[in-house]
Amino acid sequence: GENVEQHPSTLSVQEGDSAVIKCTYSDSASNYFPWYKQELGKGPQLIIDIRSNVGEKKDQRIAVTLNKTAKHFSLHITETQPEDSAVYFCAADNTDKLIFGTGTRLQVFP
Amino acid sequence: ETGVTQTPRHLVMGMTNKKSLKCEQHLGHNAMYWYKQSAKKPLELMFVYNFKEQTENNSVPSRFSPECPNSSHLFLHLHTLQPEDSALYLCASSQAPGAGTYEQYFGPGTRLTVT
Repeated sequence: GENVEQHPSTLSVQEGDSAVIKCTYSDSASNYFPWYKQELGKGPQLIIDIRSNVGEKKDQRIAVTLNKTAKHFSLHITETQPEDSAVYFCAADNTDKLIFGTGTRLQVFP
Repeated sequence: ETGVTQTPRHLVMGMTNKKSLKCEQHLGHNAMYWYKQSAKKPLELMFVYNFKEQTENNSVPSRFSPECPNSSHLFLHLHTLQPEDSALYLCASSQAPGAGTYEQYFGPGTRLTVT
């Protein structure tokens, strides 16, 4: 079955810097890769996703890149702000189920 | 109410108690999910319901019993739980698995503590 690995587990950046979170997956048949943000006391919220027919997708300060050959995808956050502090999860679909990574705790210091 | 709501938000129960978690989605979706979120572990899919029919049981112990009376409501009945069942239980919904739309929307979760 699908296996998703996520790195790093924690990431601290200065406000205004960029943050990059990376995930790898094992099942080459996976074709949908969402990213979720989970703030304290809340459920995960979908922030961006990408499908295997595109290599990059951008939404304001957030971008996701996908390399199907290498089976990895990344989340890029530019000009980070304190409100970006949260736990971020990547996921990959596997026969209509989402398999999640273990999460990255991002801390943005003012 | 909008989105996905869950009640209660916090629950403390003894190992011999019986309790139920409730989830309601206001998004017009047809698929609903239960996940377990434990510290430092990936979200674990427990159950999937598609048009009220259970389509996935991810080897969940029988002390967890789901119920989906309609596409908007999902319950998780709990009985004789173990301390290791303490976790955040998340409900999610989506249009439907396999429909080409996989976006899942999560509720805020129920923080369960088993004493």
